[in-house]
Amino acid sequence: GEDVEQSLFLSVREGDSSVINCTYTDSSSTYLYWYKQEPGAGLQLLTYIFSNMDMKQDQRLTVLLNKKDKHLSLRIADTQTGDSAIYFCAEKKPSNTGKLIFGQGTTLQVKP
Amino acid sequence: NAGVMQNPRHLVRRRGQEARLRCSPMKGHSHVYWYRQLPEEGLKFMVYLQKENIIDESGMPKERFSAEFPKEGPSILRIQQVVRGDSAAYFCASSPPSRGAYEQYFGPGTRLTVT
Repeated sequence: GEDVEQSLFLSVREGDSSVINCTYTDSSSTYLYWYKQEPGAGLQLLTYIFSNMDMKQDQRLTVLLNKKDKHLSLRIADTQTGDSAIYFCAEKKPSNTGKLIFGQGTTLQVKP
Repeated sequence: NAGVMQNPRHLVRRRGQEARLRCSPMKGHSHVYWYRQLPEEGLKFMVYLQKENIIDESGMPKERFSAEFPKEGPSILRIQQVVRGDSAAYFCASSPPSRGAYEQYFGPGTRLTVT
C-alpha cells in the first residue's frame, strides 16, 4: 500500500527534546521529508534527506533514517512553544512523477 | 522572492456551482503540484503540471476535476458541480526545474467549503 504511518500526538515540555517518528512503505523511496503545518497555514518544508544518507542535522533539527526498517525520525532539540504544530512525514518514490506521499501528521504540543 | 501564492484563501460554493482555485508558483519555478487535505488527514496528491503539460494526473478524480498550467498566468484547479465531499483545503506546491520535482514548496492553501 501507500500508507506512511505516524503517531497522531506528542506532548513535551518546553526545553525538552521532541522525537517524531514515521514509517514509510517503499524501500526504494529516494527522498524523505519533514513538513511543519501551523493552524490554518500551508506546509513549511523543514528538511529532507536523500535515501543514501542516514543522518542530517540542521540547527535544532536532526533527521535519522533507517532504511532497513523504513523508519524516519525528526528530533527537535530544546523544543519551544513556537514549535507547536502538526508535523508531516512524506516520501517520494523513484519516478518522474512529482507525487509526494504524506503521513497523517503528528500534532506536537509544547507545554510551558 | 515571494512564495507560492494561492487565491482565494477561502471559497464558499453552493452544491452544483463551479470552484476555480488559482496558484502562482514561486519565481523561476516551472513545476506545479496540487494536493488536497481533508479534515484531520494528511495531504493527497492530485496532479503534477509543467507549463502547458500535465505530467501526472493519477490522483485526480475522474469526473468534475481538471487542472491546467498555461504558458502565461497561474495554474488553475477547476471543480465543476461541487458536492459537499469536495470541502477540503487545496494546496499548491511548486519546484524549480533543476530540482527534479523533489524540492516542493507549498502555498497557504485555499479552503473550500461547499454548502
